[in-house]
Amino acid sequence: AQTVTQSQPEMSVQEAETVTLSCTYDTSENNYYLFWYKQPPSRQMILVIRQEAYKQQNATENRFSVNFQKAAKSFSLKISDSQLGDTAMYFCASSGYGGSQGNLIFGKGTKLSVKP
Amino acid sequence: NAGVTQTPKFQVLKTGQSMTLQCAQDMNHEYMSWYRQDPGMGLRLIHYSVGAGITDQGEVPNGYNVSRSTTEDFPLRLLSAAPSQTSVYFCASSYSGRGNTIYFGEGSWLTVV
Repeated sequence: AQTVTQSQPEMSVQEAETVTLSCTYDTSENNYYLFWYKQPPSRQMILVIRQEAYKQQNATENRFSVNFQKAAKSFSLKISDSQLGDTAMYFCASSGYGGSQGNLIFGKGTKLSVKP
Repeated sequence: NAGVTQTPKFQVLKTGQSMTLQCAQDMNHEYMSWYRQDPGMGLRLIHYSVGAGITDQGEVPNGYNVSRSTTEDFPLRLLSAAPSQTSVYFCASSYSGRGNTIYFGEGSWLTVV
């Protein structure tokens, strides 16, 4: 069975600094996708960034970037120039198990606090 | 742009009661799913559908029923509510195919007393 592990339940960072959230996963699939979702206090699930496993280049979206290490099954999220609005739960997720396209397996999340 | 709409947003049920959480999307997505989120946990898949008339079980299907009679709607039924079903429920949809953006509803808070 696929698993996604986030080993940091909580993290904090000063505004304008950089923080890295860790994620490891386990899958037997050859073709899969990895995601980071942000969940602010409103509980809305917001896609932050997506990585295709067969692409070696790390995905980047503005201040958000990933470090994808396929052999190590590691998928960390780096947030640069942290802003107060980045305060949220962050979930790592993988997709594509069995024949079920679109189903996501989530980690337990990391609560990030950005301090002024 | 309605996106994925869930109703109700809040509900309190008594043990043994039944209810239906409604989910509708206006993006003509083939794929729809239901997740639950418990404290300290990520979202876990309950049921999903890859098209009208086709549904399948996810990780935690017990106590829930679904059907998909139209592309737009994917209701989740609690047959006999239990306190263990107290959770936040999210409906999601996307185009079929791995890696497509999955759109989530705003969540439905359900408390079973």
